[in-house]
Amino acid sequence: SAVISQKPSRDICQRGTSLTIQCQVDSQVTMMFWYRQQPGQSLTLIATANQGSEATYESGFVIDKFPISRPNLTFSTLTVSNMSPEDSSIYLCSVPGTDNEKLFFGSGTQLSVL
Amino acid sequence: QQPVQSPQAVILREGEDAVINCSSSKALYSVHWYRQKHGEAPVFLMILLKGGEQKGHDKISASFNEKKQQSSLYLTASQLSYSGTYFCGTEIRNAGNMLTFGGGTRLMVKP
Repeated sequence: SAVISQKPSRDICQRGTSLTIQCQVDSQVTMMFWYRQQPGQSLTLIATANQGSEATYESGFVIDKFPISRPNLTFSTLTVSNMSPEDSSIYLCSVPGTDNEKLFFGSGTQLSVL
Repeated sequence: QQPVQSPQAVILREGEDAVINCSSSKALYSVHWYRQKHGEAPVFLMILLKGGEQKGHDKISASFNEKKQQSSLYLTASQLSYSGTYFCGTEIRNAGNMLTFGGGTRLMVKP
């Protein structure tokens, strides 16, 4: 199993500011995924972060709004830029297990934008 | 494309059974099932890869139909601990677990 440490666990931010969320994994993984979960909703994939290359963004998500870094095989950051109240969500990082048959999720970052 | 989950919500008494369905308009490579309790991260339950497959552990099992377009999660003799939101996550092709999740089914088990 993979142990994922995600921080901060929650934050309250002002409109127009940016927040960087960190995700640390206890083992090396090729792919890391960033998901958004809006209140009471399902999980929506924002992007896939691959080490050594630019992140791949899903439809509706752009790099200027959600820049991602992946400096090594155990760490990634997601920045939510120029925040608005619509960005209030839970953001989760996830990684495939070693058997590549399941996803492990971080504990999530609950973001509230005022 | 997001899979369609039904029902959206279920309320059960302890010991009752429930079925949650997950449907896709296209044949799937895999279906994953996850449970998320309030304020916690989703937790993996099981994965189905083969058409016609059935698998499970304890009183939670799942099936994947022959056409690989529908999966069902079966919860039998439900316990209070089964309460939470259940999500199916799907892959159209082998993409390293890059999942598209259904809208979720909220399950509440009452004493």
